[in-house]
Amino acid sequence: AQSVSQHNHHVILSEAASLELGCNYSYGGTVNLFWYVQYPGQHLQLLLKYFSGDPLVKGIKGFEAEFIKSKFSFNLRKPSVQWSDTAEYFCAVTPGYSSASKIIFGSGTRLSIRP
Amino acid sequence: SAVISQKPSRDICQRGTSLTIQCQVDSQVTMMFWYRQQPGQSLTLIATANQGSEATYESGFVIDKFPISRPNLTFSTLTVSNMSPEDSSIYLCSLRGGAGNTEAFFGQGTRLTVV
Repeated sequence: AQSVSQHNHHVILSEAASLELGCNYSYGGTVNLFWYVQYPGQHLQLLLKYFSGDPLVKGIKGFEAEFIKSKFSFNLRKPSVQWSDTAEYFCAVTPGYSSASKIIFGSGTRLSIRP
Repeated sequence: SAVISQKPSRDICQRGTSLTIQCQVDSQVTMMFWYRQQPGQSLTLIATANQGSEATYESGFVIDKFPISRPNLTFSTLTVSNMSPEDSSIYLCSLRGGAGNTEAFFGQGTRLTVV
């Protein structure tokens, strides 16, 4: 069965620091990969997604992620974080391209930014 | 992007009672998904609801506890039966985009508190 692992449960950074959140998945076939963000008291919002093509994906708010197939990883990065990036971040994976496939979420990483 | 309307948005229920959550979509979709997000945790898939057939439940979830209806391609309900405080969670319905767009869209969620 497919699964998603997020190694960092809680990350604390100062403003302007660089960010990298780890995500590894287990599935041998074609995958779609996602990063979602949940700001305090708000709903899930899509940050970025990877379907195919360029493994370096750029999303909203300056976030990017790199798909490394050989490592089954899809780490999220941001060169300089802001206080407003304080949120919960979820990596997610789904096999193939069918809209009938379920999406499995990782356990989430809480990001706290010190002003 | 799809518009998903979920209600109620929140409720406080007595233990032993049941609550039915409704999810209405503005377009026809084959599959709808129901997730649970317990306090401070990630999203856990409860079941996949296919129109015209019984829902498919994930490990740890059973139909008697979480009966699902899917009467047409734009509507689904999830019932949380015989509730206990452990059922206090946010319940979300979700769907994936059509061909070429496989991100997940979420309703605003139902925040359930069982007392």
